[in-house]
Amino acid sequence: QKEVEQDPGPLSVPEGAIVSLNCTYSNSAFQYFMWYRQYSRKGPELLMYTYSSGNKEDGRFTAQVDKSSKYISLFIRDSQPSDSATYLCAMTATGGFKTIFGAGTRLFVKA
Amino acid sequence: DTAVSQTPKYLVTQMGNDKSIKCEQNLGHDTMYWYKQDSKKFLKIMFSYNNKELIINETVPNRFSPKSPDKAHLNLHINSLELGDSAVYFCASSQDTGGLGDEKLFFGSGTQLSVL
Repeated sequence: QKEVEQDPGPLSVPEGAIVSLNCTYSNSAFQYFMWYRQYSRKGPELLMYTYSSGNKEDGRFTAQVDKSSKYISLFIRDSQPSDSATYLCAMTATGGFKTIFGAGTRLFVKA
Repeated sequence: DTAVSQTPKYLVTQMGNDKSIKCEQNLGHDTMYWYKQDSKKFLKIMFSYNNKELIINETVPNRFSPKSPDKAHLNLHINSLELGDSAVYFCASSQDTGGLGDEKLFFGSGTQLSVL
């Protein structure tokens, strides 16, 4: 079993839809949870960052962490064609130096 | 001005050859990494360096040898290239968090390695 599980998709939605992306994990030592966005032929870029359980909102993006269920989510409101990318969940444990990534979900937002 | 830059962007070579990828960051970070992304987009850590010291070596074959001449540079040398080494290799850097784990990674644009 992988430490982090993420459905690779692809996920195709119409413009303006609410998108929900999810990851589950098995290591209870994970404390820091991130979402990275990767456009084609580019490096991943940090989108959202959360410590421990809770919600964090940034514009159209909301990240949720439920440590009791070992489940994290990223919601994108009013999705735009420019949101079309691969979204990778990532997490680290105290001790650091080793970020573990999910497989990434390919998202397509159709105009 | 690119924060994390790696060269070359593309590398096509024959099996058995030796090649190097270079990485430089101008963010003043103390920690640098090499990640490998396979054809299914799965991103896996290979090495972590903190202040030029190797911290993480994720059971990578000995043919892969990282080298950090200073905190701003981390190079990757690969000996005797194999078909299975074909992938995109990403360099990344982060602030030193003292081992807390809250690293926010800044990635380069990747090196697409194709072994024929």
